[in-house]
Amino acid sequence: NAGVTQTPKFQVLKTGQSMTLQCAQDMNHEYMSWYRQDPGMGLRLIHYSVGAGITDQGEVPNGYNVSRSTTEDFPLRLLSAAPSQTSVYFCASSYSGRGNQPQHFGDGTRLSIL
Amino acid sequence: SQKIEQNSEALNIQEGKTATLTCNYTNYSPAYLQWYRQDPGRGPVFLLLIRENEKEKRKERLKVTFDTTLKQSLFHITASQPADSATYLCALSPYNQGGKLIFGQGTELSVKP
Repeated sequence: NAGVTQTPKFQVLKTGQSMTLQCAQDMNHEYMSWYRQDPGMGLRLIHYSVGAGITDQGEVPNGYNVSRSTTEDFPLRLLSAAPSQTSVYFCASSYSGRGNQPQHFGDGTRLSIL
Repeated sequence: SQKIEQNSEALNIQEGKTATLTCNYTNYSPAYLQWYRQDPGRGPVFLLLIRENEKEKRKERLKVTFDTTLKQSLFHITASQPADSATYLCALSPYNQGGKLIFGQGTELSVKP
């Protein structure tokens, strides 16, 4: 099993550009989420989904959109990139959204906004 | 305000010793607490989960304790090895937040041979 796969691994954007970070999981997990990780700070939840067709906002949703059309895929869209969105982005999945389930993470997308 | 804090400074220990990492929280009522390991350039990997009503959990050389009175979890690695060098993250799942995980900033552990 591949687990959670994120693409691309690295990306450089100019301010104002848009892009989509891809996330796919092959474990048939219902719950998927996106985090950003910045130096000295914990992982912060951007958006999450408890199943296909259902998404909700996390702690830092501004400037990002998500959709969940299938169980496997959960793309994150940056609408108009800003330097403050320079970060490492992690996608995670778990069997359910309950806190007693371990989360499985991808290896991240390192994004720089110039 | 709500906070979850881990040792901000890196922890350096000698091979064979026990490493102890701390996770303190304020103004949360966690139902579960989880610990993850993160290597440079990689995503976090799940290690252990402990429930609110459990005092201690063990897995091989790893031990987690959870004290809801002190609002603290301790993560121990016994007989540490250089391969244990990594950043360790704690994360709690509060009762009133639908299973979301709130992460600490992580503690970097370095085990010297």
